[in-house]
Amino acid sequence: QKEVEQDPGPLSVPEGAIVSLNCTYSNSAFQYFMWYRQYSRKGPELLMYTYSSGNKEDGRFTAQVDKSSKYISLFIRDSQPSDSATYLCAMSEGAQKLVFGQGTRLTINP
Amino acid sequence: EAGVAQSPRYKIIEKRQSVAFWCNPISGHATLYWYQQILGQGPKLLIQFQNNGVVDDSQLPKDRFSAERLKGVDSTLKIQPAKLEDSAVYLCASSRLAGYSTGELFFGEGSRLTVL
Repeated sequence: QKEVEQDPGPLSVPEGAIVSLNCTYSNSAFQYFMWYRQYSRKGPELLMYTYSSGNKEDGRFTAQVDKSSKYISLFIRDSQPSDSATYLCAMSEGAQKLVFGQGTRLTINP
Repeated sequence: EAGVAQSPRYKIIEKRQSVAFWCNPISGHATLYWYQQILGQGPKLLIQFQNNGVVDDSQLPKDRFSAERLKGVDSTLKIQPAKLEDSAVYLCASSRLAGYSTGELFFGEGSRLTVL
């Protein structure tokens, strides 16, 4: 069993839709949870960062962490074609290495 | 602020040949990471440096991979001899602090390796 599981998609939705991306994990020691966005042939860039459980909102993006279920989510409201990318969840215990999910390829259709 | 610089962007080699990748992190960033990203997978940490010392190299295939960070600034990652399964994008990242308390790793655009 992988430490972090993420549905690779691909996921295709129309412009303006609400997008839900999810990851599950097995290591209960994970405390730091991140979402990275990776455009084609580019390096990942940090999108959202959450410590422990709870929600965090930044513009059209909302990150949720449910440590009791070992489940994290990223919601994108009013999705735009420019949101088309691969979304990677990542998590760590703290000073330990960052463990990435497989990534979900998302396409927003105009 | 200049980003993380990597070269070469693309490299094609035959199996059993050697290859080296170079990375220059963001100025002032103490921690440097090399990740391997195989097509369709998430990045996997190969090695982490804090200044010029190794913090974590537990997933580095040391029989063929080596990395160094002289003077605590830029770094090179070498593969010798290369295998077909080494075909991947090699991502360099840097962060201002050690650990992941902020989650802010800055990635370069990567070096794409194809082994034939």
